[in-house]
Amino acid sequence: EVQLLESGGDLVQPGGSLRLSCAASGFTFSTYAMSWVRQAPGKGLEWVSDVRGSGDSTYYADSVKGRFTISRDNSKNTLYLQMNSLRAEDTAVYFCAKGGSVSGSYFVKEDWGRGTLVTVSS
Amino acid sequence: DIVMTQTPLSLPVTPGETASISCRSSRSLLDTYAGKTYLDWYLQKPGQSPHLLIYRVSYRASGVPDRFSGSGSGTDFTLKISRVEAEDVGVYYCMQRLEFPITFGQGTRLEIK
Repeated sequence: EVQLLESGGDLVQPGGSLRLSCAASGFTFSTYAMSWVRQAPGKGLEWVSDVRGSGDSTYYADSVKGRFTISRDNSKNTLYLQMNSLRAEDTAVYFCAKGGSVSGSYFVKEDWGRGTLVTVSS
Repeated sequence: DIVMTQTPLSLPVTPGETASISCRSSRSLLDTYAGKTYLDWYLQKPGQSPHLLIYRVSYRASGVPDRFSGSGSGTDFTLKISRVEAEDVGVYYCMQRLEFPITFGQGTRLEIK
């Protein structure tokens, strides 16, 4: 059974930093793309970032480019999101998601964690 | 960026009826090289994380009832829910992953009358 467990969410001041983690189990972590998707309070889903299974290719939303860094440690089956220069508009629940295994579904969000809340406020 | 537009944003449905949600993209989601169209549907039930319903327009994810079906091509797509049940309430999102940045529709809230 696939399990994705996010952690690291917290209350942080504007301009501060935070690192989110997503511990994965139940699948061969290194063969799947992984994602971060966020949801501001009462709002819809917003894609944040993806990383390929090998970790050698990363992709970002314009709203976080240059401030956030996605990475993964395939030896620890863990996905990370380093968040710097945080702004009030980054306040959201951050979900990690696992990619797909069927042909043509590499960047689908096949399984989701329960999310971790990041609040940026003074 | 590819803009995804869903209609309606709110959908009251009587149990047992059929519900349809439309999703339109600002550009074709067909990858002409691969011959695949990268449009997925997700459902977020109240208080839960989203989960995958349909991928690549019409392929149901594992465990998804056949009451859910997806169709469409190019820029126009539809999610149909037959014989709506109370457990189908929530917000439905379409998502394109033809190119980065990946983009979601605004979401359609399905409620039971």
